[in-house]
Amino acid sequence: DAKTTQPPSMDCAEGRAANLPCNHSTISGNEYVYWYRQIHSQGPQYIIHGLKNNETNEMASLIITEDRKSSTLILPHATLRDTAVYYCIVRVAKAAGNKLTFGGGTRVLVKP
Amino acid sequence: EAQVTQNPRYLITVTGKKLTVTCSQNMNHEYMSWYRQDPGLGLRQIYYSMNVEVTDKGDVPEGYKVSRKEKRNFPLILESPSPNQTSLYFCASSWDRTYYNEQFFGPGTRLTVL
Repeated sequence: DAKTTQPPSMDCAEGRAANLPCNHSTISGNEYVYWYRQIHSQGPQYIIHGLKNNETNEMASLIITEDRKSSTLILPHATLRDTAVYYCIVRVAKAAGNKLTFGGGTRVLVKP
Repeated sequence: EAQVTQNPRYLITVTGKKLTVTCSQNMNHEYMSWYRQDPGLGLRQIYYSMNVEVTDKGDVPEGYKVSRKEKRNFPLILESPSPNQTSLYFCASSWDRTYYNEQFFGPGTRLTVL
């Protein structure tokens, strides 16, 4: 799996968009970018994933650069409940080993 | 509601007393997995199962057992718990190999072994 680099922490104002960056410069052609988050001591929650096109769902948008070496998760209107640690993971879609390995992630604090 | 449930959510026990943490999913998922989470060590996989009667070791299987007799259930068994198994445990599931990376996690079981 390609290594990812995320800022350790960031603050965001409630109601504003939160833009979470992730660098994955060693990503290979068949690896997807996945995002999860973990609210304090709760189970991790899958958010979104993509290969090269931008993706959007009810939770967030994922913007992947054209060279695929970095991506940004966008929470369009952050709420206090979005305070969590966000993890960016890069993996092939049908990996033989299916364990998820979370790095340090970005601790996001949404402030009123 | 689609979900993964775990029981108990909290457990304090003593060294050597056998215990089972149950995990059940109602989404007809083929794949299930157990992780433990410890400060500074992140999430580590203990065991996983790709389908009924198919299980395999993850990264930290020592001291644990699992079984997959039914598709929906994947219990984690600690035959003789020790203090180094004090941890936060998560069960997870996903559809099949195509969706292995989109996993649904349970709420967690916080285990303390004295």
